[in-house]
Amino acid sequence: QKEVEQDPGPLSVPEGAIVSLNCTYSNSAFQYFMWYRQYSRKGPELLMYTYSSGNKEDGRFTAQVDKSSKYISLFIRDSQPSDSATYLCAMKPSGSRLTFGEGTQLTVNP
Amino acid sequence: EPEVTQTPSHQVTQMGQEVILRCVPISNHLYFYWYRQILGQKVEFLVSFYNNEISEKSEIFDDQFSVERPDGSNFTLKIRSTKLEDSAMYFCASSDPAGGDSNQPQHFGDGTRLSIL
Repeated sequence: QKEVEQDPGPLSVPEGAIVSLNCTYSNSAFQYFMWYRQYSRKGPELLMYTYSSGNKEDGRFTAQVDKSSKYISLFIRDSQPSDSATYLCAMKPSGSRLTFGEGTQLTVNP
Repeated sequence: EPEVTQTPSHQVTQMGQEVILRCVPISNHLYFYWYRQILGQKVEFLVSFYNNEISEKSEIFDDQFSVERPDGSNFTLKIRSTKLEDSAMYFCASSDPAGGDSNQPQHFGDGTRLSIL
């Protein structure tokens, strides 16, 4: 079983839609959960960073972590064409190594 | 906003040659990392570095790889004898040591695309 699983998509939505991106994981030791956005030929850009279970909101973005189900989500409200990118979930136990999902390719159509 | 910078953006090297990838982390950060992403695959951890020594490395980071902080601003990854399968995007990342915590979020550069011929 993969440590982190993420549906690679592609996912295509109309502008203004609510987008839901998800990852599941198997390692109970993961405590820190991140979402990165990656544009073509660019590095991962940190969007959200959460510790343990719960919700975190930042503008149009909401991150949810459910440690009991080993499931994390990123919601994007009022999606814009500029949100078109690959979204990577990443997580780690206490310490340094990040484990990434495969990434979900999102296209928001005007 | 401070950022991690990497040079060169693209490196083409003959198989068997040595290559050095360079990174300038965010200035007050003290934890440094290298990751790689083979085309079409996920981002993979290579190594982390703190206080002038390797703190963790993956099984990918074998004797062909080494890291160095040659001065107060640069962080380098050296591949001693490159192989075809080393072709990938290599990302440098750094994090803030706030409170001595290695769990602060990692910020990434835009990567060096390494092509081995």
